Amino acid sequence: AQSVTQLGSHVSVSEGALVLLRCNYSSSVPPYLFWYVQYPNQGLQLLLKYTSAATLVKGINGFEAEFKKSETSFHLTKPSAHMSDAAEYFCAVSEGTSYDKVIFGPGTSLSVIP
Amino acid sequence: EAQVTQNPRYLITVTGKKLTVTCSQNMNHEYMSWYRQDPGLGLRQIYYSMNVEVTDKGDVPEGYKVSRKEKRNFPLILESPSPNQTSLYFCAILTSGGTQYFGPGTRLTVL
Repeated sequence: AQSVTQLGSHVSVSEGALVLLRCNYSSSVPPYLFWYVQYPNQGLQLLLKYTSAATLVKGINGFEAEFKKSETSFHLTKPSAHMSDAAEYFCAVSEGTSYDKVIFGPGTSLSVIP
Repeated sequence: EAQVTQNPRYLITVTGKKLTVTCSQNMNHEYMSWYRQDPGLGLRQIYYSMNVEVTDKGDVPEGYKVSRKEKRNFPLILESPSPNQTSLYFCAILTSGGTQYFGPGTRLTVL
């Protein structure tokens, strides 16, 4: 079965600094990959997704992620953090090549320091 | 854009008192699901439904029931809630492109 790990349950960055949130999955079969963001007291919303097209995926709010098959990774980055980026971020991976079953990682809480 | 609504947003109840959390969508998506969110565990799927009258267990179905009598609605039922079901619950729909749209969440406390 697929599993997802996110290194670091809490990450703090200074405003304007690079954001790097790590995600690794377990399957050797390239799955579909997602990053979701959850702002306080809200549901999750999609940041970006990889569905076997370009390996570098651009999302909303200046975020992007790169699919690296050899490393089974899908790390999320943003060149310059903004205060409004403070939120919980979840990496998710499909079970196989179907959207029906998606496994979520435990989440990484991002703090942005002024 | 797809919208998912849940009610209530907050609920405090006691052990054993049956409750229902409603979920409805504003479009005609076939796939709906329920998740619970717990610290350090991310989201875990409770039940999902691929269409009317078609439901199936997710990863943590024990203690929960669902029904899908019409496409818009997918209520989550706790027949006899217990304190270990204290959690944040999300309903979601799945679009054909693989994006899930989540409701705002229901924070449930079982005393």
